[in-house]
Amino acid sequence: DAGVTQSPTHLIKTRGQQVTLRCSPISGHKSVSWYQQVLGQGPQFIFQYYEKEERGRGNFPDRFSARQFPNYSSELNVNALLLGDSALYLCASSLGPGPTDTQYFGPGTRLTVL
Amino acid sequence: RKEVEQDPGPFNVPEGATVAFNCTYSNSASQSFFWYRQDCRKEPKLLMSVYSSGNEDGRFTAQLNRASQYISLLIRDSKLSDSATYLCVVKGDDYKLSFGAGTTVTVRA
Repeated sequence: DAGVTQSPTHLIKTRGQQVTLRCSPISGHKSVSWYQQVLGQGPQFIFQYYEKEERGRGNFPDRFSARQFPNYSSELNVNALLLGDSALYLCASSLGPGPTDTQYFGPGTRLTVL
Repeated sequence: RKEVEQDPGPFNVPEGATVAFNCTYSNSASQSFFWYRQDCRKEPKLLMSVYSSGNEDGRFTAQLNRASQYISLLIRDSKLSDSATYLCVVKGDDYKLSFGAGTTVTVRA
């Protein structure tokens, strides 16, 4: 079975631009979460979606937004990019959002903001 | 105070050695606990879930102490392939994952 897939793999943008990252969950998984990982730190929670509804949001500015589609894939949008947005963006999927639902990560999108 | 804190290491150990490290978490209402492994510039991969009674998976043993709010991981008979960053992960009562910054382990021949 295919794992979580993300696109693109790498992305280079300049300050002020907007970016859209995409994620396809494992087949049968209905929950998708997004994380930001900057170098030397653990991933930081951005959003969780389940059944197309936002179920959780981390401490990120409103420049960050996301959505989940009827096929459970998801997009993360970041507007007005800052240098500090340079990071590895990870998508994780799980069967559901509950405490025992294991999250499986995709390979990530590495975003560089110049 | 960070939600999850780990000793960053690095732990440099010879092949065959035993290495152990801990993490602490701040939210006493946390629901679930995990260790993930992350190789350089790769995504985190689940190593094992951690249960209150403690659990073992081959050479890896995890312990949870809810009273003291810490989690431990022990690796026996270390292999070169165990070299990685180990992330302590806690799922809170809001069901989001909180990660520590990771403990780096390097196993040398």
